Amino acid sequence: NAGVTQTPKFRVLKTGQSMTLLCAQDMNHEYMYWYRQDPGMGLRLIHYSVGEGTTAKGEVPDGYNVSRLKKQNFLLGLESAAPSQTSVYFCASSFQSRYGYTFGSGTRLTVV
Amino acid sequence: GQQVMQIPQYQHVQEGEDFTTYCNSSTTLSNIQWYKQRPGGHPVFLIQLVKSGEVKKQKRLTFQFGEAKKNSSLHITATQTTDVGTYFCARGPSGGYQKVTFGTGTKLQVIP
Repeated sequence: NAGVTQTPKFRVLKTGQSMTLLCAQDMNHEYMYWYRQDPGMGLRLIHYSVGEGTTAKGEVPDGYNVSRLKKQNFLLGLESAAPSQTSVYFCASSFQSRYGYTFGSGTRLTVV
Repeated sequence: GQQVMQIPQYQHVQEGEDFTTYCNSSTTLSNIQWYKQRPGGHPVFLIQLVKSGEVKKQKRLTFQFGEAKKNSSLHITATQTTDVGTYFCARGPSGGYQKVTFGTGTKLQVIP
């Protein structure tokens, strides 16, 4: 019963580098989400998915791309990292949109 | 719009004192969720309220949904140091908006 697993937990990138954050859930949840959390800004939705093969933009999608090729995995990509993308990234999943979310432990990303 | 406002932003209490955080919306909420995030941790789902005037308890935590379904509160009786963290309310999905929207949170510090 791992729940939601995020990898990596920490990462330092140089400006312009690319990377992919992986989120995996073992609860057979349909819905998956990527959030970023910055001091004083709460949780802001980047992208989300309502099922395998689907993705949609959230509140702050610019600079990020996502893919959901398998139901259990939701990938967040940064093609050209910028210092403004320094943040803590959380993945979450839910059975349906109106159910409570299960969050992963987060990825702390620093872009220098 | 879809935002929910939380007050206060910060709260320091002496251990043993009570604590209350409030969540307010300008529009009617279909449901409200509450989450707790420990320092350095990830948000953890606590509860969901759906019915007008609903009150739910979890040990020392009491959650209430307003009669007009425009506000909610979380009350902690006799705080303990384990209650330290940030408490988020989140408006549940409704109508065509199929995502949860998080409030900015109330950060609770408990002084031993």
